[in-house]
Amino acid sequence: AQTVTQSQPEMSVQEAETVTLSCTYDTSESDYYLFWYKQPPSRQMILVIRQEAYKQQNATENRFSVNFQKAAKSFSLKISDSQLGDAAMYFCAYRGETSGSRLTFGEGTQLTVNP
Amino acid sequence: NAGVTQTPKFRILKIGQSMTLQCTQDMNHNYMYWYRQDPGMGLKLIYYSVGAGITDKGEVPNGYNVSRSTTEDFPLRLELAAPSQTSVYFCASRYLETEEANYGYTFGSGTRLTVV
Repeated sequence: AQTVTQSQPEMSVQEAETVTLSCTYDTSESDYYLFWYKQPPSRQMILVIRQEAYKQQNATENRFSVNFQKAAKSFSLKISDSQLGDAAMYFCAYRGETSGSRLTFGEGTQLTVNP
Repeated sequence: NAGVTQTPKFRILKIGQSMTLQCTQDMNHNYMYWYRQDPGMGLKLIYYSVGAGITDKGEVPNGYNVSRSTTEDFPLRLELAAPSQTSVYFCASRYLETEEANYGYTFGSGTRLTVV
């Protein structure tokens, strides 16, 4: 079974600074997708960024980028120029190609942005 | 508005009571999922469905049942509620094989359930 581990329960960053959230995963599959979701206090699940395992190029979405290391099974999220609105719980998630393409989530990292 | 609709948003149950959490999507998505999120934790899969009439267990199915009689609806049934089922429940859906599917899933806004 696939597992996703986020080793940082809490992180904090100063406004306008850069922060990196860590995620590792375990799988025996060769084709899969990785996601970062943001969950603000409203509980809404918001897709931040995704990465296809077959792509070597790291995904980027505006101020959000990932460092995908397939051999190391690592998928970290970098947030540049942090804004107060970035404060939220961040979840790393894995999707394989079996078992209904379910999402497997990590335990989450609570990000605080200090003004 | 198109999306995943969950009802109710909040509910308090007494131990031993039963209830059904409703989930409806109007995007003609094939796959639907039920997750639970305990306080300060990640989401864990309860049940999922790959199409009408087909359901399967996830990581934490005990104490729950589901049905999928139509593409749109995927209700989650709690029988004999227990305090351990106090959680936030999320329903989600996605297409089978489209580029949109690769962008992830559409989530409902969640149901906060408390069992006392």
